[in-house]
Amino acid sequence: DAGVIQSPRHEVTEMGQEVTLRCKPISGHDYLFWYRQTMMRGLELLIYFNNNVPIDDSGMPEDRFSAKMPNASFSTLKIQPSEPRDSAVYFCASSVRLLRGLETQYFGPGTRLLVL
Amino acid sequence: AQSVTQPDIHITVSEGASLELRCNYSYGATPYLFWYVQSPGQGLQLLLKYFSGDTLVQGIKGFEAEFKRSQSSFNLRKPSVHWSDAAEYFCAVGTRANNLFFGTGTRLTVIP
Repeated sequence: DAGVIQSPRHEVTEMGQEVTLRCKPISGHDYLFWYRQTMMRGLELLIYFNNNVPIDDSGMPEDRFSAKMPNASFSTLKIQPSEPRDSAVYFCASSVRLLRGLETQYFGPGTRLLVL
Repeated sequence: AQSVTQPDIHITVSEGASLELRCNYSYGATPYLFWYVQSPGQGLQLLLKYFSGDTLVQGIKGFEAEFKRSQSSFNLRKPSVHWSDAAEYFCAVGTRANNLFFGTGTRLTVIP
């Protein structure tokens, strides 16, 4: 199993530009999560999907952020327009729900975003 | 509301010494508890998890953790630390909604 795949691994862009982060979850996993990690705020859940449907987007910081999951094997997190304070590491994770209600989340390697 | 507290921001131990990383949680129901490790520039890797049953949980790389309901704690331990254990460690509590809430992390430095 290839694990959760994220691209790009690093992204440097200028303020005002659109940024698109991509994630391929582990095959067969029906939950997908987007997290942001910063020194100041630690790991924050931004949004998560179940069966391609957004379930909770309360962590999305503002309207500049949007996420989609058009199919079970692909998700995007888009920032438009980007700002320097969006600089962070963005992680994607996936999991599968078992009868007992919760299963381990497996994390991708992250995308390190720097907005100048 | 659920929350996780890792009181130690940074811990330094000598190689071969024992290790204990503290984690306290707040959650109204039976918690699902996790420890993840993050090496520099890497993603998070699961060390171990507790869902139910035996309160002493064994994980990978020689780590273990003990769930103590009376203390709302889930401390991570290792009897003998290796230089490769230097990393950041995150405790997390999971809810029935499949959310994970992470602590702020403890950075471990290992001295040769």
